[in-house]
Amino acid sequence: DAKTTQPPSMDCAEGRAANLPCNHSTISGNEYVYWYRQIHSQGPQYIIHGLKNNETNEMASLIITEDRKSSTLILPHATLRDTAVYYCIVRVALGDYKLSFGAGTTVTVRA
Amino acid sequence: GAGVSQTPSNKVTEKGKYVELRCDPISGHTALYWYRQSLGQGPEFLIYFQGTGAADDSGLPNDRFFAVRPEGSVSTLKIQRTERGDSAVYLCASSLTSAGEETQYFGPGTRLLVL
Repeated sequence: DAKTTQPPSMDCAEGRAANLPCNHSTISGNEYVYWYRQIHSQGPQYIIHGLKNNETNEMASLIITEDRKSSTLILPHATLRDTAVYYCIVRVALGDYKLSFGAGTTVTVRA
Repeated sequence: GAGVSQTPSNKVTEKGKYVELRCDPISGHTALYWYRQSLGQGPEFLIYFQGTGAADDSGLPNDRFFAVRPEGSVSTLKIQRTERGDSAVYLCASSLTSAGEETQYFGPGTRLLVL
């Protein structure tokens, strides 16, 4: 069972920041937050992950609340190519190799 | 470098037939995973290989499904006596190891349609 809750869909304007929320209120201290996305007809693509500190890479930023019960994925300048289903996944770092995908958030970037 | 590749990209078969789906992981990746994705849903775990052995096959839905990875690289997912409910996208992923924070890299999937 997925341990995360995400809104089913959201729209974003091209060129603006997209902020994708995720609730994981039952997260344990040894569980990471991972984000993947899946563009139509492609396999899921890794975006970013974090434990408790905020993380940033070339694709996105991940903001995790201090109590770790929720997080936000930020796409700083959304483009039309960012239209995809975004999955927030909680995963134990050691001994848990499975990714448990929920339904994700369908993000539509509009021109 | 080359990513995970899967063949065929599409497969149409008739109910009751046998199918094989192939996955070529990223070179050097010891861990390999199979997932299945039904329309409108997220991927669901099927089986995980560490090297040549299936370390966890708890996600396989029944004994019609079987997977092998004889040389620790290429893997084949085999489905016997296919049913219409087997229609889905079958995704393969690989990672350098299965430990720690290793990222799983996915292939494009094989779209299986059972008529």
